[in-house]
Order: sequence, then structure tokens, then C-alpha cells
Amino acid sequence: SQQGEEDPQALSIQEGENATMNCSYKTSINNLQWYRQNSGRGLVHLILIRSNEREKHSGRLRVTLDTSKKSSSLLITASRAADTASYFCATDDRTNFGNEKLTFGTGTRLTIIP
Amino acid sequence: EAQVTQNPRYLITVTGKKLTVTCSQNMNHEYMSWYRQDPGLGLRQIYYSMNVEVTDKGDVPEGYKVSRKEKRNFPLILESPSPNQTSLYFCASSSTTLREGSNQPQHFGDGTRLSIL
Repeated sequence: SQQGEEDPQALSIQEGENATMNCSYKTSINNLQWYRQNSGRGLVHLILIRSNEREKHSGRLRVTLDTSKKSSSLLITASRAADTASYFCATDDRTNFGNEKLTFGTGTRLTIIP
Repeated sequence: EAQVTQNPRYLITVTGKKLTVTCSQNMNHEYMSWYRQDPGLGLRQIYYSMNVEVTDKGDVPEGYKVSRKEKRNFPLILESPSPNQTSLYFCASSSTTLREGSNQPQHFGDGTRLSIL
């Protein structure tokens, strides 16, 4: 499987509810990023969390990182219709010196039902 | 306005006809990269560049070429396109490399949808 896999693949919730998405990865990382993609558009950076951080907040977003489990979660609180989008995690690979690749997961498709 | 500009946005062409997708950023970024996005496969990195004249392969470089003669431009070249290169392509840039622990996000273009018949 790929470095960086999101779970679930698709999620539908009512407006106002919280949405949680998970990301698993395989190698040791320097940092993990979350991006949002509206249909047919480019990705937009949401938040970056470093390997020595466990939790980070930005507005209605909360990201956690568990390096022992090689996993991260993205929580969107009080969801809005405008949050409907696909969400991707992206990781680097600190085990491969000189490797500057950024690897994205396959994404979670989030639908907010008004 | 800070942006990454890709051209063309849409292209339908035929197998074997060389094409170039241009990418330009106006943020003086060092790091630039190309991705392709396919259903069920997410984004896969094709090539990346850490600076002028420095490029390296990503996960799916076969059938593609890149060049970085100027800091702002990073064109993607398909010398002999084939139908399996039909995809949505994204160019991205950031101010520092990943290994430097950049706090800067990857800035993405709006994408180029290529159809190879």
C-alpha cells in the first residue's frame, strides 16, 4: 500500500457535526501535512505537523500525530457545507537521506449534508 | 498575487505527439514538483526540483521529462504521449525543501487535464 493512506475513503455527515479522517503511513517522517481539494481544483494546504509534535490546532481544524503508530487524524469541528471536499495527507520520508519526495495518500471524500 | 500557473488547463491530443505543460510560479520558490492524479490512486509525484538545474525522479517518472533552467519555470514534457498518461496533472512549489523542515506549504496550480487518444 502507499505511504499515506486515508481512512475512510468517503464520509458523509450532517452540517454542524464533527468530521474525523485518519491517515496511516509507513516510514519515519519529518513532518505530515494535510491538504484540501475542492472538485476539479488544485490542493490547498491546511496544516503541517512536525514529527516532534503531537497535536496542532488551526481554527476548526485539529490534527494529531502518533509516530509510534505511524498515524495522524484530522478533525473538522462544526462542519459547514463549504467543507465538502477531498482531504489528503502528505508525508516525506526521513529514512531515505536526500529523498525530497512528498507522498500523498488517496484521500477522503467528505460530503457535508445541509 | 502569489500563484502557480499551469498551461494549458485542458488538452486533448493524440498518441506520439510531443507536448509540453508549462508551470510558472511568482513566489521565488526553490522547490517545484509535478504530480498526476488518477481515480483511486491519489496524487503521485512525477519529478521534483530542489533548485535551478537540480531535478530528481519521483514515484512515476517514466514517459516524462522536466527541466529547470530558471527558478520560476518547471515545464513537464511528454516526448511521446500514450493513452496511459491521460490524467489530471498538478504543478506545485514551496519556498524550501522538505528536508529543511519547511513551514511553508506546497502551493498548487489549478491543474491540467490531459487526454491522450
